[in-house]
Amino acid sequence: SQTIHQWPATLVQPVGSPLSLECTVEGTSNPNLYWYRQAAGRGLQLLFYSVGIGQISSEVPQNLSASRPQDRQFILSSKKLLLSDSGFYLCAWRAPDRHTGELFFGEGSRLTVL
Amino acid sequence: KQEVTQIPAALSVPEGENLVLNCSFTDSAIYNLQWFRQDPGKGLTSLLLIQSSQREQTSGRLNASLDKSSGRSTLYIAASQPGDSATYLCAVRSYNTDKLIFGTGTRLQVFP
Repeated sequence: SQTIHQWPATLVQPVGSPLSLECTVEGTSNPNLYWYRQAAGRGLQLLFYSVGIGQISSEVPQNLSASRPQDRQFILSSKKLLLSDSGFYLCAWRAPDRHTGELFFGEGSRLTVL
Repeated sequence: KQEVTQIPAALSVPEGENLVLNCSFTDSAIYNLQWFRQDPGKGLTSLLLIQSSQREQTSGRLNASLDKSSGRSTLYIAASQPGDSATYLCAVRSYNTDKLIFGTGTRLQVFP
């Protein structure tokens, strides 16, 4: 069966510090991968998605970036965090080439920027 | 631009009641619609996925319906239990996009 892992689960960082959140998927090949952010009192916002290694699409302009160094690994990064980057970050995957496919989420990473 | 709305935003009911949660979307050209459950501080758990060609899906006490022409989906929860307390989110995938557009959710509390 397929599983998705995110870490760290919780992170408290000062403004201006770097960020790295990692997501890995097991039990599937060539998944489509997604990073969402859920800010307090707001809905889920798609940040990045990837359909293959090195292929990243960005949905919103921001100081975050994403990379996919391996087939089942998706990393969310920042060189200098802003207060507004605080939120709950969720990684998700779905099977490739299946527009009818179901989306599955990880447990999330809660980032607090102070 | 697809927009997804969920009503009500919050709901508090006694145990045993049958519930209906509503989801509406503005663009009826969708591939599918997915219902999720989110417990506080946790990720999203997929509950039901309805393809555009389907009218409903059932899983245990849950039943989700889809009416594309009117841009609506409902999630029916039968015989609610305190363990059903969570936020319920619907999301749609439109044609020619790899994105799911989410509603802001319905926060459900079922009390004993």
